[in-house]
Amino acid sequence: DAKTTQPNSMESNEEEPVHLPCNHSTISGTDYIHWYRQLPSQGPEYVIHGLTSNVNNRMASLAIAEDRKSSTLILHRATLRDAAVYYCIPSNQFYFGTGTSLTVIP
Amino acid sequence: KAGVTQTPRYLIKTRGQQVTLSCSPISGHRSVSWYQQTPGQGLQFLFEYFSETQRNKGNFPGRFSGRQFSNSRSEMNVSTLELGDSALYLCASSLRQSYGYTFGSGTRLTVV
Repeated sequence: DAKTTQPNSMESNEEEPVHLPCNHSTISGTDYIHWYRQLPSQGPEYVIHGLTSNVNNRMASLAIAEDRKSSTLILHRATLRDAAVYYCIPSNQFYFGTGTSLTVIP
Repeated sequence: KAGVTQTPRYLIKTRGQQVTLSCSPISGHRSVSWYQQTPGQGLQFLFEYFSETQRNKGNFPGRFSGRQFSNSRSEMNVSTLELGDSALYLCASSLRQSYGYTFGSGTRLTVV
């Protein structure tokens, strides 16, 4: 199974950009990379996904490396409500890693 | 549209009992996956069902089982409950894996 690697934790000041990295060096050529986030006591929620090119939506942007072995979730202006655990996972996988716990400092 | 619905939200059981949790996926979603989440182990994959067939299974003992009905609703069962089974059980449904999953709010199971 493809495995992902993410930093355990990151901090950001409120209203500053945050770049959350994910390494997925064994991802297959047809797998999308999905990002989810989980707030305390809730199920994970979808954030964004992409295949090869960079993607934007109202929540975030996703930058995918040209070799597709890594990606970066970008929150353009972190808010306190963005404090959560962020997971990246290839689309044909069921195994979530430990994710990155994002702390937003007021 | 309605999201993924899990019932009950909270449950307290005694060691040795068995429990059944229910999941109603988003209408039209035929894939349903189950996860166990504990503070120490994070999100652990239990199994995935598609069109009433178990397609993938995680590394859990046989006490954990599931099934999916023709309307895509799914249930999971845990027999002979142990204290370590206390966890948040999450269900997720998908139209197609490449589209990603929508998770329910989970069932919080406490075994005493």
